[in-house]
Amino acid sequence: NAGVTQTPKFQVLKTGQSMTLQCAQDMNHEYMSWYRQDPGMGLRLIHYSVGAGITDQGEVPNGYNVSRSTTEDFPLRLLSAAPSQTSVYFCASSSWGRPYTEAFFGQGTRLTVV
Amino acid sequence: AQKITQTQPGMFVQEKEAVTLDCTYDTSDQSYGLFWYKQPSSGEMIFLIYQGSYDEQNATEGRYSLNFQKARKSANLVISASQLGDSAMYFCAISGGGSNYKLTFGKGTLLTVNP
Repeated sequence: NAGVTQTPKFQVLKTGQSMTLQCAQDMNHEYMSWYRQDPGMGLRLIHYSVGAGITDQGEVPNGYNVSRSTTEDFPLRLLSAAPSQTSVYFCASSSWGRPYTEAFFGQGTRLTVV
Repeated sequence: AQKITQTQPGMFVQEKEAVTLDCTYDTSDQSYGLFWYKQPSSGEMIFLIYQGSYDEQNATEGRYSLNFQKARKSANLVISASQLGDSAMYFCAISGGGSNYKLTFGKGTLLTVNP
């Protein structure tokens, strides 16, 4: 049972480069989200999706794009990397349920932009 | 907008003692959920416990319990009989109306358990 898989685990980019962080889940969850974690800031929501073809912005969306063509995958794209995007990125997935359901997190991607 | 405040950047506790990690929240939603996550030094996020805004009883999960005081907007995590493996960063988070895909996190509390 893989759960939520993020790739790569580590990445170093040069300013201005583009890249895609991959996120895949095998739990058939309808909800997926991307967060970034910076020192002393906790996790902040970047983008989220409530189903295939549906995405929306979170608290800190600037500089990031997402798409959701399948239930399983939710890639995060950095179009032109900036040093301010140096962070640890977490993907999470969850499903609807009452009274609640747990959000499952991937292992994280540590990104450094130089 | 929702907000979580964790006022304790770091906490120390002796092994086998109980410890309380503070969390206060602010929300305009009538229905919301409160979550606690543990992040060990390895970096993964581990779900610990959940409290719904309409739950009349405090949530418990093994050694974890949540001291929920709705009028004071607080949701403190109590860890009983601390173990060395409890040393980690702890995050409190809130979601609106069960929408757990939009979590707002606090800045976290680093707990160190001393032998």
